[in-house]
Amino acid sequence: DAGVIQSPRHEVTEMGQEVTLRCKPISGHNSLFWYRQTMMRGLELLIYFNNNVPIDDSGMPEDRFSAKMPNASFSTLKIQPSEPRDSAVYFCASSLGEHTEAFFGQGTRLTVV
Amino acid sequence: SQELEQSPQSLIVQEGKNLTINCTSSKTLYGLYWYKQKYGEGLIFLMMLQKGGEEKSHEKITAKLDEKKQQSSLHITASQPSHAGIYLCGSYGQNFVFGPGTRLSVLP
Repeated sequence: DAGVIQSPRHEVTEMGQEVTLRCKPISGHNSLFWYRQTMMRGLELLIYFNNNVPIDDSGMPEDRFSAKMPNASFSTLKIQPSEPRDSAVYFCASSLGEHTEAFFGQGTRLTVV
Repeated sequence: SQELEQSPQSLIVQEGKNLTINCTSSKTLYGLYWYKQKYGEGLIFLMMLQKGGEEKSHEKITAKLDEKKQQSSLHITASQPSHAGIYLCGSYGQNFVFGPGTRLSVLP
């Protein structure tokens, strides 16, 4: 298996634009996580899906952020409109389920100018 | 919600020295996971501990979970430059959350 695949690896966009980050989890994994990492706040959990259903989105910063998981092999994180403070590395991770290790993608480095 | 704290925040050691990183939880841990991250890359899974008193080793890295399952330590023996990076502990509470990380530098 190729592991968790995220795209794009780097994204530079202007403030106010819509940004969509994509994630393909490891086949057979039924839990998917979106994290955001910054120097100031470390690794923050944004949203957690189990069997394609959002279980906890309390970490989503505000209404500008939305995440979907239309099927077991694909998830998106959308920011609309984007702001400079959204600049961070966004990670997607998947696991077989609760109490099993999560495997991380390489991340998407987002810069909003 | 469960919170994880790590100490020290950063660590600089000379190659060949031993070192220890600690992770403390505000609540009993159902499982404790150690990850390593190199700059600009994703997290790499190192080890998982589930039972109180459990200890696991992989190459020169040993991780332990205390009997009360609220504290874990990661010990590196004879450190090498390849050990440099950020070490994070994570745990399932309501969700899979992580500590703030410990940044390790190993000087050749």
